[in-house]
Amino acid sequence: GAGVSQSPSNKVTEKGKDVELRCDPISGHTALYWYRQRLGQGLEFLIYFQGNSAPDKSGLPSDRFSAERTGESVSTLTIQRTQQEDSAVYLCASRRDGTYEQYFGPGTRLTVT
Amino acid sequence: GQNIDQPTEMTATEGAIVQINCTYQTSGFNGLFWYQQHAGEAPTFLSYNVLDGLEEKGRFSSFLSRSKGYSYLLLKELQMKDSASYLCAVSPPGYSSASKIIFGSGTRLSIRP
Repeated sequence: GAGVSQSPSNKVTEKGKDVELRCDPISGHTALYWYRQRLGQGLEFLIYFQGNSAPDKSGLPSDRFSAERTGESVSTLTIQRTQQEDSAVYLCASRRDGTYEQYFGPGTRLTVT
Repeated sequence: GQNIDQPTEMTATEGAIVQINCTYQTSGFNGLFWYQQHAGEAPTFLSYNVLDGLEEKGRFSSFLSRSKGYSYLLLKELQMKDSASYLCAVSPPGYSSASKIIFGSGTRLSIRP
C-alpha cells in the first residue's frame, strides 16, 4: 500500500515568509508525528497527534511553529516568519494504534535564504 | 528528561561484525528503538526492545539492559549497503505503546571493502 507522503519535497523561501508543509499518513494510522532534522544531526521531536488532537506539543521550538490535523488524516506544519535557523529537513511519520513502529515519509527539505 | 548517548562515527570492514552502543538516562523507560537511516533518506525501523535480553533478526541483533541503561545494535556479515546512520531512540514514561520516542544523534557507520 501507499506509504507516508510529504509535500513539497523541497522548499526554498525568503527569511520572514510563512511556509506550510504537508503530510499524508498511511491510511488507518491514527498517530502522526513531526520531526526536524538539521544537517548531520539526529531527529528532533516537534509534535505528536493522536487522531486530530495533539497531546504533546512540547517540541515546537517557538510560537512561530504550529501544526494541525484534520479528519484523522492530513497534517500541516506551518512556520511563520521563517528564520535561517529553520532550515532543515522536516520529517513526518505515522503509526497504527496498538503498534510501535513509526513509518516515515521522505521529508521536506526547507531552505530559508 | 532523556539523555541518549551513542558514538558519532564508526568504521568497519565488509564481512565483519560491528557493535553500536547506546546509553540512556531517563527518569522512566518505556522501550528502546533502533532505526536505520541512509544518507538523504527517511529512517526505517530496525528493532524495539522493552525487556532485557537479546533479540535477533537476521544479520541484526539488538540487546537491552534496563538496569544499566544500555543497549547495543549488533550487525553481522557486514555489507556495503549497511553504510548508514543508526539511530537509538527511547520511549519516555507515560506514553503507552511507545507512542512517543526521543532520538539520539545517531551513529554514522562507514563500511570499507
